[in-house]
Formats: sequence, structure tokens, C-alpha cells
Amino acid sequence: GNSVTQMEGPVTLSEEAFLTINCTYTATGYPSLFWYVQYPGEGLQLLLKATKADDKGSNKGFEATYRKETTSFHLEKGSVQVSDSAVYFCALSHGANNLFFGTGTRLTVIP
Amino acid sequence: NAGVTQTPKFQVLKTGQSMTLQCAQDMNHNSMYWYRQDPGMGLRLIYYSASEGTTDKGEVPNGYNVSRLNKREFSLRLESAAPSQTSVYFCASSGNRDSTDTQYFGPGTRLTVL
Repeated sequence: GNSVTQMEGPVTLSEEAFLTINCTYTATGYPSLFWYVQYPGEGLQLLLKATKADDKGSNKGFEATYRKETTSFHLEKGSVQVSDSAVYFCALSHGANNLFFGTGTRLTVIP
Repeated sequence: NAGVTQTPKFQVLKTGQSMTLQCAQDMNHNSMYWYRQDPGMGLRLIYYSASEGTTDKGEVPNGYNVSRLNKREFSLRLESAAPSQTSVYFCASSGNRDSTDTQYFGPGTRLTVL
């Protein structure tokens, strides 16, 4: 079946530190991969996505590359800011656009 | 554009009571979804509607019913609430059912069942 495993949190970083949140997936065929972000008290919003192998999604300084050989879609950012504090969800969509989510990783960035 | 709106934002119910969560989108999307979010479990799909007039079960449909009232509105009903249904509920919509399509989420309804 379809599933997503992402790095357990919480993650606490100092401002300007490098961020990596690991995400691996299990799916048949070629899913689309997403990172969603949830800021405190809000719903989820799309951060970036990649729809085929070797695609790189990027937005707001965040990047993730769809690696089919390692079934991974790790999220990275070179220099985090306090405003990046949120919960990050990795997700996949396969076939009929039903999203399967990881458990979420809470990031706290301290000044 | 308001995007996806949900009402109410918060609700407290007693076991056995019923209620309907409302969701509306103004993006002319064909597909709509209901998820629940529980601590440590990510989001799980309850029901979805691929298009107006159709609904289908997701991963965790037991205890819920849905109605796709028109293209804009998709409601979720709890007929007899149970404490296990305490959760945060999110509605989402997408243009179509293609796996590459982005889903847009509402702000959520926090439900507590006592």
C-alpha cells in the first residue's frame, strides 16, 4: 500500500541553521510527492511538490528532490528563520489524488 | 477569494449528540475531501467527493456521513458522536482527481466529544 515515513520531531534549531527533514515513501508506480506546512492555528498549505522522478520542488528557500532510487523526498533549507517555525508534513498522492500523510515534524526556530 | 472555509471553528459535544460540519470553496474545484488530524498520526482521509453528486469512503469513514450539496459545499455529519471522534477536522478541495493536483485546505474545526 501507500505510506509515508518522516523524521520524528520535534526539531529545534537556531536561526540561520541548516534544516533537513527526512521523508521516505512506499508506493506502487510513480506517486506525486508533496510537502505541506501548518503554521500555528491554521490549516495546511502547500509548500512545494514534485510530480516525477528527479524533479526538484522549491519555494520560500525550501527545496526537496524526488529520488526514486531511494524512495525519498527530503526537505532542506539552507538558513532557517523564526518565521519557519511550524509543523511540516510530507505526503504522497497516487492514482486518484488521495493524499497519504506522514505524521508531521514540528520545527521550532529560536533567535 | 476566501478559498476553503469551514464552520464552526470549535465545537464541544456530549456523547451521542449529532452535528454537521460545513465546508465551502469558491475556487470552482470539482473534488472535495474531509480529513481528521490526530496527534502523532498525521491526517487521514474520511470521505471524498470526486465531483458534484458523488461521494466515496476514505481510510476512516466509520461513524461519519457526508453530503455534496452542490459544487461549492461538502458537509460532514456525525450522527452519534463518540469520544474517539475528538479530533481536528479539515476540509480540502482540488481542481480534479489527478495525482499531481494540489489540495487546498480550510482552517479546520476543533471538535471535542465528552
